[in-house]
Amino acid sequence: NAGVMQNPRHLVRRRGQEARLRCSPMKGHSHVYWYRQLPEEGLKFMVYLQKENIIDESGMPKERFSAEFPKEGPSILRIQQVVRGDSAAYFCASSPQGGEQPQHFGDGTRLSIL
Amino acid sequence: AQSVSQHNHHVILSEAASLELGCNYSYGGTVNLFWYVQYPGQHLQLLLKYFSGDPLVKGIKGFEAEFIKSKFSFNLRKPSVQWSDTAEYFCAVNYNQGGKLIFGQGTELSVKP
Repeated sequence: NAGVMQNPRHLVRRRGQEARLRCSPMKGHSHVYWYRQLPEEGLKFMVYLQKENIIDESGMPKERFSAEFPKEGPSILRIQQVVRGDSAAYFCASSPQGGEQPQHFGDGTRLSIL
Repeated sequence: AQSVSQHNHHVILSEAASLELGCNYSYGGTVNLFWYVQYPGQHLQLLLKYFSGDPLVKGIKGFEAEFIKSKFSFNLRKPSVQWSDTAEYFCAVNYNQGGKLIFGQGTELSVKP
């Protein structure tokens, strides 16, 4: 029973490039959450999606960041024109329903910007 | 603003010592509370959760937590830690706004054999 799958585990980009992070939720889960963990800080909520819908994007930076969860395929977190400050661990979580349901986390993607 | 505070950034204990990790959250009405653990090189795993009912919650691996509403606290406890409990521990709160979790900064626990 596969858990939440994130890829790649590590991603290196140069400033100005694009980064695409993928997340496949657990089987039967239709709710996906993205969190970012900066060095020496806790996890910060970014966005909450259901299939084809963005439910809450209150934690997303206003520019360069976008997220989608299409009807078919994984959820994608996209960062355009990356800068050094985007270096962080990005975690995806999923749950069968929203609200109070416990979230199951993936191993994260470590993004490094050169 | 909604916030979660974990008092200790790094705790070092010897095996068999008792553990208590503090977690306080800002007032926000009805909340759901969680403790997650992240072992080295692994993903976050749910230790325990509180939604309602008995404020003393039992979790996996001998952990428990007590919800004290008047103190806005949800401290994690274990009577006797083991070397294998070395990990980072995160307190998280859902303020009943969809599924959004607010996390504390994390507490790194090192248990000396």
